[in-house]
Amino acid sequence: DAGVIQSPRHEVTEMGQEVTLRCKPISGHNSLFWYRQTMMRGLELLIYFNNNVPIDDSGMPEDRFSAKMPNASFSTLKIQPSEPRDSAVYFCASSSPLNQPQHFGDGTRLSIL
Amino acid sequence: TQLLEQSPQFLSIQEGENLTVYCNSSSVFSSLQWYRQEPGEGPVLLVTVVTGGEVKKLKRLTFQFGDARKDSSLHITAAQPGDTGLYLCAGAQGGSEKLVFGKGTKLTVNP
Repeated sequence: DAGVIQSPRHEVTEMGQEVTLRCKPISGHNSLFWYRQTMMRGLELLIYFNNNVPIDDSGMPEDRFSAKMPNASFSTLKIQPSEPRDSAVYFCASSSPLNQPQHFGDGTRLSIL
Repeated sequence: TQLLEQSPQFLSIQEGENLTVYCNSSSVFSSLQWYRQEPGEGPVLLVTVVTGGEVKKLKRLTFQFGDARKDSSLHITAAQPGDTGLYLCAGAQGGSEKLVFGKGTKLTVNP
């Protein structure tokens, strides 16, 4: 079975540009999570969806960040405008019903110059 | 304030040595998970513990959940270079799907 698929794997862009990160969860999983990982703060939950509906976005740092899940097989995390402090590795994870373990993608390494 | 504190932050040992890493909190968790993350990859689940005092073994790895469900430990016996990685603990509270992660222990096992 295919795991969680994230794209792109690496993104380098200049500050002020819009960045879109993509995630395809494991088929049949109904919960999807977006995380950000940095050395200073570790792995932080940004937002999670259940059945395509955002449940908790309290971890989204500010209005520059937005996330959507238009259907069960696709989600995006958008940053507009991007800033150097947004540089981090962004992970997407999915899980099946009844609080089963989260399965992580391999992440997108984002560098904002 | 970090809800889950992991220690040590870094650990470098020789092959064959034993080690223990810790995950502590002042909060109670309904379950606690341990993940291992290798460079360039996402975390991979090792184990979930749900009962206070529970001990689970996975080959050379032994996981323990504290009686009060506030802390956990991971003990590795006879460490091997393949054990090298970032070990993360993550806790869930109540019936929520949200996980709170510690910052991790970066383990290096030298041949």
